Amino acid sequence: KAGVTQTPRYLIKTRGQQVTLSCSPISGHRSVSWYQQTPGQGLQFLFEYFSETQRNKGNFPGRFSGRQFSNSRSEMNVSTLELGDSALYLCASSLRLAEGVTINEQFFGPGTRLTVL
Amino acid sequence: AQTVTQSQPEMSVQEAETVTLSCTYDTSENNYYLFWYKQPPSRQMILVIRQEAYKQQNATENRFSVNFQKAAKSFSLKISDSQLGDTAMYFCAFMKPPLLNTDKLIFGTGTRLQVFP
Repeated sequence: KAGVTQTPRYLIKTRGQQVTLSCSPISGHRSVSWYQQTPGQGLQFLFEYFSETQRNKGNFPGRFSGRQFSNSRSEMNVSTLELGDSALYLCASSLRLAEGVTINEQFFGPGTRLTVL
Repeated sequence: AQTVTQSQPEMSVQEAETVTLSCTYDTSENNYYLFWYKQPPSRQMILVIRQEAYKQQNATENRFSVNFQKAAKSFSLKISDSQLGDTAMYFCAFMKPPLLNTDKLIFGTGTRLQVFP
């Protein structure tokens, strides 16, 4: 079974531009979460989706948005890029069968490394 | 709000020796999950071990074991018979109970482990 895939793997943008990152979860996984990883702030939760609904959102400005499609693939978008948005963006998927079901292991993708110049 | 603290930014150990990584956390929840994730250089994050707070028995996975002290809110990882492939960044993470319907992980700042031959 293929793992979590993220595209693109590397991206270079300039300030003010916008960017869209894509995440394809493991087949059958319906829950997708996004994290930002930087040397200064560490791993920070961005948002999570389940069955096309955003369940939680982290403490990030409105420039960060996301969505999930009916096939569970997810995208996140960052508008008006700032230098501080340079980071590794990680996506994780889990097999959440239903509401309140036992803990599901999260599987992480390789990440998209975004550099903002 | 939950917080996770890893007080050891870096550690080193000789091959075949044992090393313990520390983690403390703060929460008002009674039931929750704790994890150790491993992130090798330029490779993706993988789950090492997990512990359910309602279980008194410490989790073990081959050479990896935890010392879970619920009252002290401590969750340390012991790696026995260290191998060169254990060289990685190790993150301690907290998750609220599944009945709250979230897969959100709260990560510590990480401990960089170097295994020397």
